Amino acid sequence: EDKVVQSPLSLVVHEGDTVTLNCSYEVTNFRSLLWYKQEKKAPTFLFMLTSSGIEKKSGRLSSILDKKELSSILNITATQTGDSAIYLCAVESGNTGKLIFGQGTTLQVKP
Amino acid sequence: ETGVTQSPTHLIKTRGQQVTLRCSSQSGHNTVSWYQQALGQGPQFIFQYYREEENGRGNFPPRFSGLQFPNYSSELNVNALELDDSALYLCASSLQASGTYEQYFGPGTRLTVT
Repeated sequence: EDKVVQSPLSLVVHEGDTVTLNCSYEVTNFRSLLWYKQEKKAPTFLFMLTSSGIEKKSGRLSSILDKKELSSILNITATQTGDSAIYLCAVESGNTGKLIFGQGTTLQVKP
Repeated sequence: ETGVTQSPTHLIKTRGQQVTLRCSSQSGHNTVSWYQQALGQGPQFIFQYYREEENGRGNFPPRFSGLQFPNYSSELNVNALELDDSALYLCASSLQASGTYEQYFGPGTRLTVT
């Protein structure tokens, strides 16, 4: 059965810290891996990764995919209180665009 | 803001009732996917509609059904509501059904079944 596992499930850090969130997957017919940030309701798109070893960056956030290890990491440097959210990892499986989500990592950044 | 809208925002229903949730996709997108997110869990895929046809379905019973209209907006219908159907229902639109197009989510409908 296809599955996506995220770790840790929750994390508390202080402003300025750097965090690394992990995502591993076992999915048949992998197409892409996506990261989303969910604050209140709508998950907000962060990154889509399809090729192994190529880092995607947006400001203080970056992510990389390792297809050999079937995993991805999301790094956030110099964290701010506004980074507090649930971070969701999802893998697109097959040709239907079906996204399989992990449970999410709840990040709390304290001032 | 993604341009994906959902209505209503909140809904309270009684067990056994039926409910219809609505989603308007982002302009130019022809694909809508629906997800159920229980408290403390990641979203679970219900089904996807591409050009008015169902294009894939997750592990949900037939009482979960949907429609997509010519303008690519979509409805999710749930019959014979059960307490476990209480969740946040999210829709996501994308430019195409697959081929690694990003899916953009709406704000969701919070359904409570009592």
